[in-house]
Amino acid sequence: AQTVTQSQPEMSVQEAETVTLSCTYDTSENNYYLFWYKQPPSRQMILVIRQEAYKQQNATENRFSVNFQKAAKSFSLKISDSQLGDTAMYFCAFMKYNTDKLIFGTGTRLQVFP
Amino acid sequence: GAVVSQHPSWVICKSGTSVKIECRSLDFQATTMFWYRQFPKQSLMLMATSNEGSKATYEQGVEKDKFLINHASLTLSTLTVTSAHPEDSSFYICSARTGPGLAGLGAFYEQYFGPGTRLTVT
Repeated sequence: AQTVTQSQPEMSVQEAETVTLSCTYDTSENNYYLFWYKQPPSRQMILVIRQEAYKQQNATENRFSVNFQKAAKSFSLKISDSQLGDTAMYFCAFMKYNTDKLIFGTGTRLQVFP
Repeated sequence: GAVVSQHPSWVICKSGTSVKIECRSLDFQATTMFWYRQFPKQSLMLMATSNEGSKATYEQGVEKDKFLINHASLTLSTLTVTSAHPEDSSFYICSARTGPGLAGLGAFYEQYFGPGTRLTVT
C-alpha cells in the first residue's frame, strides 16, 4: 500500500521569503503522479502543482516549484516570494497510474506573516 | 471554469436521522465523482468513487449501506448519510473529474474539489 508522510505539521514564513515543505512517500509502483494541494481557510482544495514520476525535470508553476527525488521518494514544495494569500494547509498527494485514487498526507499548516 | 459546488455547506441533524449532501459540477460534465471525509486537522480519506449511471465503488472500511451514493447525472452526485450518529460528524468533500478514462502516461484528468459540507450530528 502507498503512504504519504508530511513530517512538518506547521510552518511559518515571513512575507516575500522562501519556504520549503517536505513530503516523503512509499510505493512499489514505478508509474505515478505526485501532487501538492492547497486548502485555504475556505476549505476548497486547489491543485498547486503536479509531477509525473517518469519526468526527471522538476515541475514549476510560477512561484511554486518542487524538488522530486524519485530514488529517495521525496517530493518537497518550494514557495518563493511568499504572499499572505499562501496561508493555508498544504497536502502532498500520490496517485498511481490507471487509478483515480488520491492518497493524501496529513498536511502542513503554513502561516505567512507580514 | 471547472467549478464544483456542494449543498448544504453546513448541516446539523439529530442522531438517527438521514441527511443528503449534493455535489454539482457547474460548468463541466463529470464522468466520475468522488467523496472524501476529513476529520478535524486530519487528511482527506477517499470514501467512494462513482461513475454516472453506475453503482459507487466504496473504499475498504466504508459502510455502503450507511453512506449511500447516487450519481444520477453527469453534473450531480449525492451522498446520503443514513441513521446518522455523532461519530459521523465530519467534513465531507466531493470532487469531480472529466475524461474518458483513468490517468496514465501523458493523460491526466484533474479532480476539481467542492468547498465541503460540515455535518454535525447531535
